[in-house]
Amino acid sequence: DAKTTQPNSMESNEEEPVHLPCNHSTISGTDYIHWYRQLPSQGPEYVIHGLTSNVNNRMASLAIAEDRKSSTLILHRATLRDAAVYYCILRDVSNNNDMRFGAGTRLTVKP
Amino acid sequence: NAGVTQTPKFQVLKTGQSMTLQCAQDMNHNSMYWYRQDPGMGLRLIYYSASEGTTDKGEVPNGYNVSRLNKREFSLRLESAAPSQTSVYFCASRSGGAPDTQYFGPGTRLTVL
Repeated sequence: DAKTTQPNSMESNEEEPVHLPCNHSTISGTDYIHWYRQLPSQGPEYVIHGLTSNVNNRMASLAIAEDRKSSTLILHRATLRDAAVYYCILRDVSNNNDMRFGAGTRLTVKP
Repeated sequence: NAGVTQTPKFQVLKTGQSMTLQCAQDMNHNSMYWYRQDPGMGLRLIYYSASEGTTDKGEVPNGYNVSRLNKREFSLRLESAAPSQTSVYFCASRSGGAPDTQYFGPGTRLTVL
């Protein structure tokens, strides 16, 4: 199974951009890159996903390296409500869309 | 839309007791999942159901059974609870559409004494 590597924790100041990195050097051609986040005492929620091209939505942007071995989740202006654990996950469409969660990155946002 | 609902929210069991965790979704999704999350760790897949009438083992199925009662409901049963099953349990359903994502319930916090 392809795995991801993320820093255990990161800090950001409120209203500043945040770049959350993820390495996935063993990614296969059928793996989609998904990001979820988990707010305290809640279930994970979808943030964004992509395959090869950079993606933008109302929550964040996803920058995918040309070789797909790494990606970066970008929060353009962090708010206190963005404090959460962020998970970078590979969804294997060739294996029943299997998704394996790692420990994620705990983002702290300082006022 | 309520999304994914789970009952109960909290439960305390004694070793050897049994219980069923209930999950329901109102989004007409085909696929449903059960995960557990231990403190400080990510989620691990217990069982999943790709469609009504089918179930498959995930990463950590030992000690659990599941039932896909209909398209809406997917239950998880602990036949003989053990302290190692103390965890937070999340149910999810998958849209299969655009975006193809999973939607999670609020979780059940289970303690086995």
